[in-house]
Amino acid sequence: AQSVTQLDSQVPVFEEAPVELRCNYSSSVSVYLFWYVQYPNQGLQLLLKYLSGSTLVKGINGFEAEFNKSQTSFHLRKPSVHISDTAEYFCAVSGGSNYKLTFGKGTLLTVNP
Amino acid sequence: NAGVMQNPRHLVRRRGQEARLRCSPMKGHSHVYWYRQLPEEGLKFMVYLQKENIIDESGMPKERFSAEFPKEGPSILRIQQVVRGDSAAYFCASSDRDLLYGYTFGSGTRLTVV
Repeated sequence: AQSVTQLDSQVPVFEEAPVELRCNYSSSVSVYLFWYVQYPNQGLQLLLKYLSGSTLVKGINGFEAEFNKSQTSFHLRKPSVHISDTAEYFCAVSGGSNYKLTFGKGTLLTVNP
Repeated sequence: NAGVMQNPRHLVRRRGQEARLRCSPMKGHSHVYWYRQLPEEGLKFMVYLQKENIIDESGMPKERFSAEFPKEGPSILRIQQVVRGDSAAYFCASSDRDLLYGYTFGSGTRLTVV
């Protein structure tokens, strides 16, 4: 079975500050890892994904994440956030022969002026 | 290349009626997934389908809920005899076998049971 823990339910930051959204996972098989963003009343948009290869993954909108196998983590970072980054962020995992995508409970990022 | 298309965007049903939610996957995608999102909760997996096959329905309630992905046409999530607790946003996603573009999500159907 797979599970995802997003350690912070809410993260408030000021505009142009750096941010890190934390994600830990558990899985008995090799994993694929994803970060999605959801704006109010909208669907989910893929920010970035790790399938294999380099452990530092760059995504859209200036976000990046680092896969750390020993710590079973996949934290999301952005060096300087904008007001428009205010949204809910979801970490998710799938793996092995099971394509089922398992989500964390989400982190609400609020960027204040 | 159109994304994942879900319809309707909003659906209102009275208690006891049936709700039918439709999902057309991205072109070239053969895997379809349904998720439910309740207020203040994350996304809960419901069912994973390939054409004409249910692969994993471990997240589907045992009663009143069913899903299909026929050879032709969209995937359908059907909820019979809806109750107020079924009110939620239902999202469909699709992928190819290699997850080349990850999982692509539709805009969702927001079901309200009155």
